[in-house]
Amino acid sequence: QVQLQESGPGLVKPSGTLSLTCAVSGASVSTDNWWNWVRQPPGKGLEWIGEIYHDGTTKYNPSLKYRVTMSVDKSKNQFSLNLNSVTAADTAVYYCARGGSGQNYGLPDYWGQGTLVIVSS
Amino acid sequence: DIQMTQSPSTLSASVGDRVTITCRASQSISTWLAWHQQKPGKDPKLLIYKASSLQIGVPSRFSGTGSGTEFTLTISSLQPDDFATYYCQQYDSSPWTFGQGTKVEI
Repeated sequence: QVQLQESGPGLVKPSGTLSLTCAVSGASVSTDNWWNWVRQPPGKGLEWIGEIYHDGTTKYNPSLKYRVTMSVDKSKNQFSLNLNSVTAADTAVYYCARGGSGQNYGLPDYWGQGTLVIVSS
Repeated sequence: DIQMTQSPSTLSASVGDRVTITCRASQSISTWLAWHQQKPGKDPKLLIYKASSLQIGVPSRFSGTGSGTEFTLTISSLQPDDFATYYCQQYDSSPWTFGQGTKVEI
C-alpha cells in the first residue's frame, strides 16, 4: 500500500524558509509518477504548489514559482519542498501527494496526512 | 489558470438523501475532472477521476457525470460516513486547480 508522510518544522519565522520532506513507502519515487505538494490554509480550499519527476524535472504554480524549489532523493525514496521568503499567508497544512502520468497526469491518487506549518515570529 | 466553481458551498442533508454537487470550469476541460472527499483533520481521498470513473474501493453510491465545463457528483443515498467536504479538481492543464469545496452536513 502506498503511503506518504510529511515531516518538517511546524513553525517558521517570517522571511524565513519553509522546508518539508515527504517520505514514500509502498512505491518508488523512481517510477513513472509525479510527486506533488498541495497546501490548505486554515478553513480554506486546496492550492497546488508544484510537482517533481524522478529525473528532477519540476513544474511549479506560477503564483509561487519564484519562491519554490523541489528536489527528489531517490536513495532515500523521498522528495522535498522549500518555500522561501514566507509570510503569514503561507500558514497552511501542507500535503504531499502522488500524481499519475500519461492519461492520469495531474491526478493525485495517494495523499499524505498533511503537516501544519505556521509562519510566526 | 482554469477557475473551478462549486455549488453549493454548504449542503444540509439527511441520511438516505440523494445529494448532487455541481462544479463548473472557466473553460472546457473535456473530462479531465476529479472529485476528492476530505473529512475534518484528514487528507483528501480520491473518489472519481476522468469525470465518471470510480476509484477502486469507492462505494457505488458515488457517481460523476459531465464534460466540457459542467460536472456533477451525485451520492445516491447519503450515508453517515459521507458527511465531509468535497472538492472538484481539473487536470486538463497546469496549474492544477481545485474548487472551493462543498461541505455536506447533517
